Amino acid sequence: EAGVTQFPSHSVIEKGQTVTLRCDPISGHDNLYWYRRVMGKEIKFLLHFVKESKQDESGMPNNRFLAERTGGTYSTLKVQPAELEDSGVYFCASSQWTGGFTDTQYFGPGTRLTVL
Amino acid sequence: QKEVEQNSGPLSVPEGAIASLNCTYSDRGSQSFFWYRQYSGKSPELIMSIYSNGDKEDGRFTAQLNKASQYVSLLIRDSQPSDSATYLCAVISPAGNKLTFGGGTRVLVKP
Repeated sequence: EAGVTQFPSHSVIEKGQTVTLRCDPISGHDNLYWYRRVMGKEIKFLLHFVKESKQDESGMPNNRFLAERTGGTYSTLKVQPAELEDSGVYFCASSQWTGGFTDTQYFGPGTRLTVL
Repeated sequence: QKEVEQNSGPLSVPEGAIASLNCTYSDRGSQSFFWYRQYSGKSPELIMSIYSNGDKEDGRFTAQLNKASQYVSLLIRDSQPSDSATYLCAVISPAGNKLTFGGGTRVLVKP
């Protein structure tokens, strides 16, 4: 079974540009999460999809970030326009929906974003 | 106060010894607790989950949970150089399914 995949693995962009990150969850996983780790800080939650619906987007830092999951399969996270403080590693995770608090989240390899 | 706190380390242990990692959390209503291992530049990998007070053993790993003290720990027995990594403690709040992570403890196992 393929794991969570993310693309690209690295992205270097200039301040003000737009970047789109993609995440393909494990097949059959309805839950999809985005997390971010900025330099020197802990991994922080961004948002949670259940299928194509946003269940919780309380961690999204501002309106420069837009996440979508059309069709309930893969997800994209767009940053527009990118700022220096957006640099970090963006992780995607997925889990099956069991209706409880014990869903195990499996993480992708992350996208390292550098904004110059 | 951080929601999930860990000693950043590094925790240096000789090969074959027991590594003991600690984690405290602030939300008393937290229900689910996880230990992830992360090698440098790689994704977090789940190694243990624990939901009720007491000990849970899986191979060389033992997780311990004390909800009254809001404390969760991880023991790694017979530590191997391949255990050298950052260990992340994470909890799920009662409000939803999002994981709240600690900063991680870096473990170095010396041959």
